[in-house]
Amino acid sequence: NAGVTQTPKFRVLKTGQSMTLLCAQDMNHEYMYWYRQDPGMGLRLIHYSVGEGTTAKGEVPDGYNVSRLKKQNFLLGLESAAPSQTSVYFCASSYPSRTGLSGANVLTFGAGSRLTVL
Amino acid sequence: GENVEQHPSTLSVQEGDSAVIKCTYSDSASNYFPWYKQELGKRPQLIIDIRSNVGEKKDQRIAVTLNKTAKHFSLHITETQPEDSAVYFCAASLTDSWGKFQFGAGTQVVVTP
Repeated sequence: NAGVTQTPKFRVLKTGQSMTLLCAQDMNHEYMYWYRQDPGMGLRLIHYSVGEGTTAKGEVPDGYNVSRLKKQNFLLGLESAAPSQTSVYFCASSYPSRTGLSGANVLTFGAGSRLTVL
Repeated sequence: GENVEQHPSTLSVQEGDSAVIKCTYSDSASNYFPWYKQELGKRPQLIIDIRSNVGEKKDQRIAVTLNKTAKHFSLHITETQPEDSAVYFCAASLTDSWGKFQFGAGTQVVVTP
């Protein structure tokens, strides 16, 4: 059981370049999330998904797009990277509470992806 | 929407002393309050959580208290050890929603020998 796996772990981009971060989970979680972490600002939700084929905006969605074509994968795309998007990105997944499963609502995080935009 | 404030932003304690981190939330409908610990360079991991029908929960050296009337909850770490050094995040959410978490800004805890 790998849990939540993010690739790549590190990436340096030039302003205007595009890239995709991949998140994969093998726990059959319905919910998946992308957060960004910046110093002094905690974890801020970018986009989330409550199931295959569905996505929704979080707190800071501008400049990002996401897709969830398969239940186990959640992709985060930057179409035209900006220096303000320099951050550490965390993917997470969880069971919804309605499942009644032990650990419902507990977020399992990936190891993070450090992105620098020059 | 929900807003969570966390204090202090940094906390330095002597090994063996206690540490307390406080969070306040704005949405009275929130009913699930987890705490995550993030060690340097690692991913956040859940250490304890509490639901709104409980006032206090303990797990060995850590405990969380919840005051629904005042809309605040706190993390208590007793007999601190060097391995408790980390950033701690509180969060608030509605369990019957899609799991929408609002995180606090984090508290950097440093335990000095």
